[in-house]
Amino acid sequence: AQSVTQLGSHVSVSEGALVLLRCNYSSSVPPYLFWYVQYPNQGLQLLLKYTSAATLVKGINGFEAEFKKSETSFHLTKPSAHMSDAAEYFCAVRTYGGFKTIFGAGTRLFVKA
Amino acid sequence: SQTIHQWPATLVQPVGSPLSLECTVEGTSNPNLYWYRQAAGRGLQLLFYSVGIGQISSEVPQNLSASRPQDRQFILSSKKLLLSDSGFYLCAGETGSGGEQYFGPGTRLTVT
Repeated sequence: AQSVTQLGSHVSVSEGALVLLRCNYSSSVPPYLFWYVQYPNQGLQLLLKYTSAATLVKGINGFEAEFKKSETSFHLTKPSAHMSDAAEYFCAVRTYGGFKTIFGAGTRLFVKA
Repeated sequence: SQTIHQWPATLVQPVGSPLSLECTVEGTSNPNLYWYRQAAGRGLQLLFYSVGIGQISSEVPQNLSASRPQDRQFILSSKKLLLSDSGFYLCAGETGSGGEQYFGPGTRLTVT
C-alpha cells in the first residue's frame, strides 16, 4: 500500500535560514505528490504538486520541492525562512486508480527571530 | 476555483449526544468530497469519501456516518458521541483527475 513518511515532527530554523522539510514515499512511484500547509485552526492549503512533468516543482510563497526517484523522496525547501512560514506542513501521495490521498503525519515548522 | 464551507467552527458536545456537521461546496459541480479527522499533533485520518450523490465509502469503522443528499452537500453524523470523537474535522473537495484537494476551515469538536 502506498505510504508517505515525514522525517521530523518539528523543525526549527532562524529567520532568513534555509528551510528543509523531508518527505519519503513508499517504493512505487505515485501518480501525484503534494505538499500542503496548515496554519493554526485552519484547513489545509495546497503549496505545490508533482505530476512527473518536471522533477523540480515550484509552489507558492517561494517554496519548491524536488522529486528524486532514486531516493524515493520529495523534500520541500525554501531558501530563506520568513516568520510567516511558521505552520504545519503535510506531504501527501495520491493512490493509483482510486480516490484516496494519503497524508504524512506532518512537520511543524518554527521560525525564530 | 472551489470554496468549501463548514460549520460550525467550534462545537462542545456531551458524551452520548448526537452530531451533525455540514459541508457545502461552492464554485464547482460533481466534486469528490472527503471527511478527515485530525487529532492533536497527528496527520489526517480519512473517514469517508463520496464520488456522487448517495455514494459513500467508509474508511474507518466507528460510530460516525456520512451522507451526501445533494451534489454539493456532505454531512457527517453520529447518533451518540464518544470521548474519542474529539478532534478537528476537515471537509475537502476535489474536481478533475489531478488529485488536488481544497479544504474547508474545519470544525473543532470537543466531546466532554
